[in-house]
Amino acid sequence: DTGVSQNPRHKITKRGQNVTFRCDPISEHNRLYWYRQTLGQGPEFLTYFQNEAQLEKSRLLSDRFSAERPKGSFSTLEIQRTEQGDSAMYLCASSWGVASGGATAKNIQYFGAGTRLSVL
Amino acid sequence: AQTVTQSQPEMSVQEAETVTLSCTYDTSENNYYLFWYKQPPSRQMILVIRQEAYKQQNATENRFSVNFQKAAKSFSLKISDSQLGDTAMYFCAFMKYLWGGNKLVFGAGTILRVKS
Repeated sequence: DTGVSQNPRHKITKRGQNVTFRCDPISEHNRLYWYRQTLGQGPEFLTYFQNEAQLEKSRLLSDRFSAERPKGSFSTLEIQRTEQGDSAMYLCASSWGVASGGATAKNIQYFGAGTRLSVL
Repeated sequence: AQTVTQSQPEMSVQEAETVTLSCTYDTSENNYYLFWYKQPPSRQMILVIRQEAYKQQNATENRFSVNFQKAAKSFSLKISDSQLGDTAMYFCAFMKYLWGGNKLVFGAGTILRVKS
């Protein structure tokens, strides 16, 4: 088990360009989360998948943002028409859980190293 | 909405000494979970310790322990025998329930520097 993997680690783009990030969760995890972390702040929730279903999106996720998790495996986060305010670290986390919720040991979220986006 | 407040932006401690990081939170829920995560420089965030709100006993993990005061909505982290490798950003987090899942609400973090 190699943990949660995110690619690329760093992305520099010009304002107005589209970017896509990838997250590979821990293989047996059915849940996948995206968070955004700006400098000096804690991560903020963006969206969440259980298997291939996207179950919640934060108000932070404007219509320029889209996330997918085809086949319930890896996930992609795309930002269209990037703006300088999109510059941040984008974190992915995964966990195993059941519909009844709760924070059993299997519901603990394991994080990737993140993708740092810089929009010039 | 749940909020998490970490009032200490930065802390420093001498190697081998003890340090306590503060965290307060606000929620109307009765059952929830609290976590401390550690984020070393340029490295991924890892779980340090967790506490289930319905348990009165404070959680401990080796050199790490918490002081959970449910009525005061306080959740501090104590690190004993501090080591250089403890230098990191520490985040306190509240677990909010989603349908079929769990969303983490984080504080702004405390930078901890362990000095030799």
